[in-house]
Amino acid sequence: EDKVVQSPLSLVVHEGDTVTLNCSYEVTNFRSLLWYKQEKKAPTFLFMLTSSGIEKKSGRLSSILDKKELFSILNITATQTGDSAVYLCAGAGSYQLTFGKGTKLSVIP
Amino acid sequence: NAGVTQTPKFQVLKTGQSMTLQCAQDMNHEYMSWYRQDPGMGLRLIHYSVGAGITDQGEVPNGYNVSRSTTEDFPLRLLSAAPSQTSVYFCASTRGGLQTQYFGPGTRLLVL
Repeated sequence: EDKVVQSPLSLVVHEGDTVTLNCSYEVTNFRSLLWYKQEKKAPTFLFMLTSSGIEKKSGRLSSILDKKELFSILNITATQTGDSAVYLCAGAGSYQLTFGKGTKLSVIP
Repeated sequence: NAGVTQTPKFQVLKTGQSMTLQCAQDMNHEYMSWYRQDPGMGLRLIHYSVGAGITDQGEVPNGYNVSRSTTEDFPLRLLSAAPSQTSVYFCASTRGGLQTQYFGPGTRLLVL
């Protein structure tokens, strides 16, 4: 059975802090690792990672994949209150996405 | 393009009732899927379809039926609703890889 585990499940930080969200996975016929941001509605796509060691960046967000250790991290630097959301990690197999439970990030002013 | 549309937005059912959650897309996407999301949980795949006439089970298919008679529509049927099916349901579609899935706005279902 495919499994994706995220940690921590919740996190409270102050504006300006840097946070690291963790995701480990066991996915049959693994194709890619996806990160999403969810704010009380449907998830919005952030990153897709397919190759080990190659960092993807978008503004203050970055992510990297370790295919040997079956692990990914999502970093957010200089956090803002607008970063408050649930961050979901998902492993993509041939035809299915398996999601983790998410990390709820709260950024306080 | 309207993207992925879902109806209704919110529904209350009594235990044992049946209903159909509608999902439609106008982007000619072959792949469509249904997920449910419970509080504190990520999304869990219920059923998916790789094209008209082809459906398959996901992680949590019990209590749900699907069919795919056209490329555009992928309805999800609850045959006999149970309180355990109280959830938010998301439909998604893609032409390419799973990373490019477009999610619908969701249907919030409450089963009493």
